[in-house]
Amino acid sequence: AQTVTQSQPEMSVQEAETVTLSCTYDTSESDYYLFWYKQPPSRQMILVIRQEAYKQQNATENRFSVNFQKAAKSFSLKISDSQLGDAAMYFCAYRSQGAQKLVFGQGTRLTINP
Amino acid sequence: DVKVTQSSRYLVKRTGEKVFLECVQDMDHENMFWYRQDPGLGLRLIYFSYDVKMKEKGDIPEGYSVSREKKERFSLILESASTNQTSMYLCASRDIRNQPQHFGDGTRLSIL
Repeated sequence: AQTVTQSQPEMSVQEAETVTLSCTYDTSESDYYLFWYKQPPSRQMILVIRQEAYKQQNATENRFSVNFQKAAKSFSLKISDSQLGDAAMYFCAYRSQGAQKLVFGQGTRLTINP
Repeated sequence: DVKVTQSSRYLVKRTGEKVFLECVQDMDHENMFWYRQDPGLGLRLIYFSYDVKMKEKGDIPEGYSVSREKKERFSLILESASTNQTSMYLCASRDIRNQPQHFGDGTRLSIL
């Protein structure tokens, strides 16, 4: 069974600085998808970024980018120019190609210091 | 925009009660999911449904059942609520075209 591990329960960063959230996963499959979701205090889970495993190029969405290392089974999220609105729980998630369910990591709570 | 609506934001019930959590999506999605969220454990899948009246167990189905009589609605049922079912419950939906899941706002359920 696939597992996802987020080893940082909490992180903090100064406003306008850059922070990287770590995620590792375990799978024997070659085709899959990886996601980062954000859950602010309002509780709605919001998709931040997704990566298809067959794509070598790292996904980017504005200030959010990933460092996808397939051989190392690592999928970190970099947030540049951190803003107060980035404060949230961040979840890394995995989905097998053709499967329906997501496997989530434990989550990292990100605090932005003004 | 996809809208996934959970009927209650907060719910308090007593041990032994039968509890219904309702979820409705407005995008004609085939797949719907129920997750439980606990601190330090992330989200864990309870059940999912890939069509009307079709369901499949997730990772932690014990103590729960589900119902999907209409495509837009997916209900989670706690047959006899217990205190260890106090948690945040999140519903999600997704269509079959490899799109990501869309989540509701969650129901924080307390069993006293």
